[in-house]
Amino acid sequence: KAGVTQTPRYLIKTRGQQVTLSCSPISGHRSVSWYQQTPGQGLQFLFEYFSETQRNKGNFPGRFSGRQFSNSRSEMNVSTLELGDSALYLCASRATGTDIEAFFGQGTRLTVV
Amino acid sequence: AQSVTQPDIHITVSEGASLELRCNYSYGATPYLFWYVQSPGQGLQLLLKYFSGDTLVQGIKGFEAEFKRSQSSFNLRKPSVHWSDAAEYFCAVGAWENQGGKLIFGQGTELSVKP
Repeated sequence: KAGVTQTPRYLIKTRGQQVTLSCSPISGHRSVSWYQQTPGQGLQFLFEYFSETQRNKGNFPGRFSGRQFSNSRSEMNVSTLELGDSALYLCASRATGTDIEAFFGQGTRLTVV
Repeated sequence: AQSVTQPDIHITVSEGASLELRCNYSYGATPYLFWYVQSPGQGLQLLLKYFSGDTLVQGIKGFEAEFKRSQSSFNLRKPSVHWSDAAEYFCAVGAWENQGGKLIFGQGTELSVKP
């Protein structure tokens, strides 16, 4: 069974631009969560989607948004990029809305210049 | 507030030596606990998990962890470290809020292995 797939793996963007990251969960999994990883703040929860609905959101500004499609694939969008948004963005897949065990993708490395 | 503390930022052990990585959590209810490993530039791989039952859990790659409720700890151990174990290790607690679930991670412990 294929794992969690994140695309692209690497991105370089300019301050002020916007970016969209994609995540395809494990086949049959319905919950997708996003995490930001930086050297200073570590791993922080961004949001979780289940059945196309955002169920939980972390403490991030409104520039960070996401959505989930009917096939459970998810996208994350960051608008008006800032240098501090440079990070590894990780997507995690869970089988159901009540499972807590999460499986992670390889991440998208975003660099803002 | 829910939190996870990994007291050791960096640990160096010799190949073949035993390893123990410390993790302390703060969580009001019965915790769901995890250890993940991350190689440079890669995602997180689940090593093991604790939900309930036997407090000593076995994971992949020869790792085990022991849940001690009285100490709010979930320490990771390996009897004999291999050079390929060099990586960053994260302890996490699963938390439910707003009808959704999330993982709360510790800051990580970087493991170096000396030949």
